[in-house]
Amino acid sequence: ETGVTQSPTHLIKTRGQQVTLRCSSQSGHNTVSWYQQALGQGPQFIFQYYREEENGRGNFPPRFSGLQFPNYSSELNVNALELDDSALYLCASSLGRVNTGELFFGEGSRLTVL
Amino acid sequence: GQQLNQSPQSMFIQEGEDVSMNCTSSSIFNTWLWYKQDPGEGPVLLIALYKAGELTSNGRLTAQFGITRKDSFLNISASIPSDVGIYFCAGQGMTTDSWGKFQFGAGTQVVVTP
Repeated sequence: ETGVTQSPTHLIKTRGQQVTLRCSSQSGHNTVSWYQQALGQGPQFIFQYYREEENGRGNFPPRFSGLQFPNYSSELNVNALELDDSALYLCASSLGRVNTGELFFGEGSRLTVL
Repeated sequence: GQQLNQSPQSMFIQEGEDVSMNCTSSSIFNTWLWYKQDPGEGPVLLIALYKAGELTSNGRLTAQFGITRKDSFLNISASIPSDVGIYFCAGQGMTTDSWGKFQFGAGTQVVVTP
């Protein structure tokens, strides 16, 4: 067990709706990263948060946004959902802004957009 | 999004056999990570590599950081049924704007038959 918890585990939304996914990082970790994993693919980096600020972003549109709270937990928000947003969303925690490796993933939130 | 080249895509092996898979990149990395993912779960970290040429073992698993910094391999010796799953490589670039943004391979699916 990594100690990274995500909620909800599964959810179904319709196109155009908005969704919020939540993540609690492993104890002692101050950095949270979000990844999108489409079926049959490897995870794709969305963005990373360190000390409540976005610290790097992948090739995702602005309708993907996030927050990190003082206790280092984090949220991923996706607006105007599209069918292609259906995926497993993974949260990973690590220690330090300059990442020396060792991302620890949660179980993920499976989003289905109809 | 950009992904690493991971091969083979899948492997069907008999229990007791050794397994080898590798990842290559067009850019150089300062960190290689190897993960295993079971259905419906998040990736679990197996091995982390930080130096070119580094060879690291974790039980029956052995991974190496390629000397060119553009590749890595993972070996599993004497496979057992619980080795079944999807194995992912992940790499982090050398430049500061790459830190924390891990690129993942598409995965190698391992099936072990008795």
